[in-house]
Amino acid sequence: QLQLQESGPGLVKPSETLSLTCSVSGDSIRNNNYYWGWIRQPPGNGLEWIGDIFFAGNTNYNPSLKSRVTLSIDTSKNQFSLKLRSVTAADTAVYYCARRMVGASKFFQHWGQGTLVTVSS
Amino acid sequence: QSVLTQPPSVSAAPGQKVIISCSGSGSNIGNNYVSWYQQVPGTAPKLLIYDNNKRPSGIPDRFSGSKSDTSATLGITGLQSGDEADYYCGTWDSSLGACVFGGGTKLTV
Repeated sequence: QLQLQESGPGLVKPSETLSLTCSVSGDSIRNNNYYWGWIRQPPGNGLEWIGDIFFAGNTNYNPSLKSRVTLSIDTSKNQFSLKLRSVTAADTAVYYCARRMVGASKFFQHWGQGTLVTVSS
Repeated sequence: QSVLTQPPSVSAAPGQKVIISCSGSGSNIGNNYVSWYQQVPGTAPKLLIYDNNKRPSGIPDRFSGSKSDTSATLGITGLQSGDEADYYCGTWDSSLGACVFGGGTKLTV
């Protein structure tokens, strides 16, 4: 079955770039029925969508984060990645990767377990 | 401040029924499908309802969803202690061009 696994540093210094990768197993990232996305959750708070990417490279970004975010996809490794620049303490959160449907049904059926990223010097 | 509004908390006794509301606007709930997620603390969210009222395989029929105009509801019947969790609604906002979530509702059984 589909599995998503986030990986990357758990600690990032303020003003630096947060980089995470999501490894996908159990399905091809080239599946044209899905977008591959990132969602974060600050400690004790709710969910915030960051953005998502299609295997062909089409992207959607949260307007509030768009200036600092870049998503990329590596079909040869069945992985996709997140880069968030100029981080501050407000970017401290559990970061989830997830798969959502293309089309009108934009729900997230499969999620990774999440990885905590702390922004601190 | 979340685009979608949910009550911070709800509670009910075991075996009873609870309804969680999610209020939005014409640019989100009014013109897009709603999904609902259950999150037990320390774990990833789990999809409960999609396309307003459909259940993924493995989700019991104690969970139901509905939508009317710019609001949606999640109903849970026959409450069990294992249903204690945070519940989030989500949809697409056509004006923002973004997926949006409610602030979450903590269910206490």
